[in-house]
This record gives sequence, structure tokens and C-alpha cells, in this order.
Amino acid sequence: GENVEQHPSTLSVQEGDSAVIKCTYSDSASNYFPWYKQELGKGPQLIIDIRSNVGEKKDQRIAVTLNKTAKHFSLHITETQPEDSAVYFCAGNTGGFKTIFGAGTRLFVKA
Amino acid sequence: DAGITQSPRHKVTETGTPVTLRCHQTENHRYMYWYRQDPGHGLRLIHYSYGVKDTDKGEVSDGYSVSRSKTEDFLLTLESATSSQTSVYFCAISTSGGTDTQYFGPGTRLTVL
Repeated sequence: GENVEQHPSTLSVQEGDSAVIKCTYSDSASNYFPWYKQELGKGPQLIIDIRSNVGEKKDQRIAVTLNKTAKHFSLHITETQPEDSAVYFCAGNTGGFKTIFGAGTRLFVKA
Repeated sequence: DAGITQSPRHKVTETGTPVTLRCHQTENHRYMYWYRQDPGHGLRLIHYSYGVKDTDKGEVSDGYSVSRSKTEDFLLTLESATSSQTSVYFCAISTSGGTDTQYFGPGTRLTVL
């Protein structure tokens, strides 16, 4: 079955710097890759997603890249702000009901 | 939280007792999911539902059962709670299957002593 690995587990950046979180997946049939942000005490919330027919997608300060050959995808946050501090999860799905999540990255943005 | 409520929000119980967690949605979404969240494991799918009375197992279904008698309600039952089931449980909903946005509820923190 699908396995998704996520790195780093903790990331600390200075406000205004960029943050990059990387994930790898094992099942070449995976075709949908969402990213979720979880703030303290809340449920995860989708921030961006990418499908296998696209190499990059941007939404304001957030971008995701996908390399199908290498089976990895990354989240890029530019001009980080304190409110970006949260836990971020990547995930992969092969088109069925089972979405496999990475273990999460705790991002700290220092003011 | 996209019209999703979970109850209870916190529960402490003892080993061997049955526990039922409830997820209620007001969005009329067809698909509902139960996940558990543990440090170092992210979110793992326990069970999911693709319609009323239609459910199936996820990654970590042992020791759990579910029921969905109405579109809006999805119940998760721990038949005989164990300490390894201490976790935070999240319900999620989506309009279509896995390749669609999942909207998560606020979670239930369960402690099994």
C-alpha cells in the first residue's frame, strides 16, 4: 500500500524567510496530493492540493511542486508570518477512499 | 469547521468499557471518515462511509466499528476500549471520494485509563 514520508518533523524559520516541507510517496498510482494545516486545538484544513497531471501550483504565498519520476512533492511558503505557525501534513491518494497522511511538520515562525 | 460537530469533545474512560463517538454534519456530504491522530503517525484512517449503511475499513480498523443510519450522522464505537486507543479522533466529510477536499471536525480527545 501507499506510504508517505514527510521531512522535517520540526522546522523553525525567521519571519519573512521561506519554509520548505518535503514528502515522498511509494505508490506510483497516487494521483492526488493535498496539504493540510492544523492549528492548535483544531482539525486539519486544506491549504492547497495538486494532481498528478500538474507539476506546480501556486496560491499567493503558498506553492506546491510535484516530481512524479522521483515520487516526491514539496510545500513552499514564502514571506512567512507568525500566523503560519502550525502543523502541516502532506498526503497522497490513488483515487480511492483511502488518503495516506505523512507524520506532520511542526512549523515555528519566529517574529 | 464546515458544519461538522463531534461529541463528546473530551472523554476519559476505563479499559474494557464500550465507547461511542458521534460525528454530525449539516452539509449533506455523501462521504464521511473517521481518523485517529497520534504523535509520529499523522492521521490514520479507521473507517469510512460512502453512503447510508455503506461503510468500509481503513488502515487501522481493528477494535473499532461504525454505523451510519442517516446521511448526517456517523458513529464510531470502540467495542472494548484499550489504552492503545487513547488518541485524538477526527471526523471528516467530503463531497466525492478521496481525491477531493476533506473537511475535518474539531476532534475528540479520548483517554483510556
